[in-house]
Amino acid sequence: DGGITQSPKYLFRKEGQNVTLSCEQNLNHDAMYWYRQDPGQGLRLIYYSQIVNDFQKGDIAEGYSVSREKKESFPLTVTSAQKNPTAFYLCASRVSGLAGVPYEQYFGPGTRLTVT
Amino acid sequence: GENVEQHPSTLSVQEGDSAVIKCTYSDSASNYFPWYKQELGKGPQLIIDIRSNVGEKKDQRIAVTLNKTAKHFSLHITETQPEDSAVYFCAASRSGYGGSQGNLIFGKGTKLSVKP
Repeated sequence: DGGITQSPKYLFRKEGQNVTLSCEQNLNHDAMYWYRQDPGQGLRLIYYSQIVNDFQKGDIAEGYSVSREKKESFPLTVTSAQKNPTAFYLCASRVSGLAGVPYEQYFGPGTRLTVT
Repeated sequence: GENVEQHPSTLSVQEGDSAVIKCTYSDSASNYFPWYKQELGKGPQLIIDIRSNVGEKKDQRIAVTLNKTAKHFSLHITETQPEDSAVYFCAASRSGYGGSQGNLIFGKGTKLSVKP
């Protein structure tokens, strides 16, 4: 089955620890995204990557870091510098394709991170 | 910057009634408008999308309409069922390659409750 996997589904960490969230896709998509969702809120863009070995900051990148060493993988590290890390984290991907042609974006199942 | 406004934030209907969710966008270059359904604790699921060369698109009980002149688009769900209860997000993007082109701008979501 093709799709986006995020692991683990639930993650618990102590304050002051860095934690890395996994995102893998086998859809052969070029672009990948990380969003944060707080209870009852919308989606806020953390980082995105249009191509391997390149990534850009989104709207709320402070306290987060990413890497894109492989096309299918886009891990997100939540560092101790992130003041309010407890949230639901969503990974997404899409085909970049030809300029001028919009493509569908698909989401993974999410990871709920709780930091105490 | 680009913005997508979504209304209402909550919507309650009786089973069998219709539900309408409306979004307006600010970027006149936007040409792709997807709708996502998010069930509790899960990632958003793409349910329908429309491109700017089309005014309306239907898929069984759901339809989306687009008014480019007014810069607004709407989701229509007919014959609602309890399983339609979820949070619905609209989004808009301009196509292109490079930078933030192609990134989705999301509305803040509508919580739909369908009462049996």
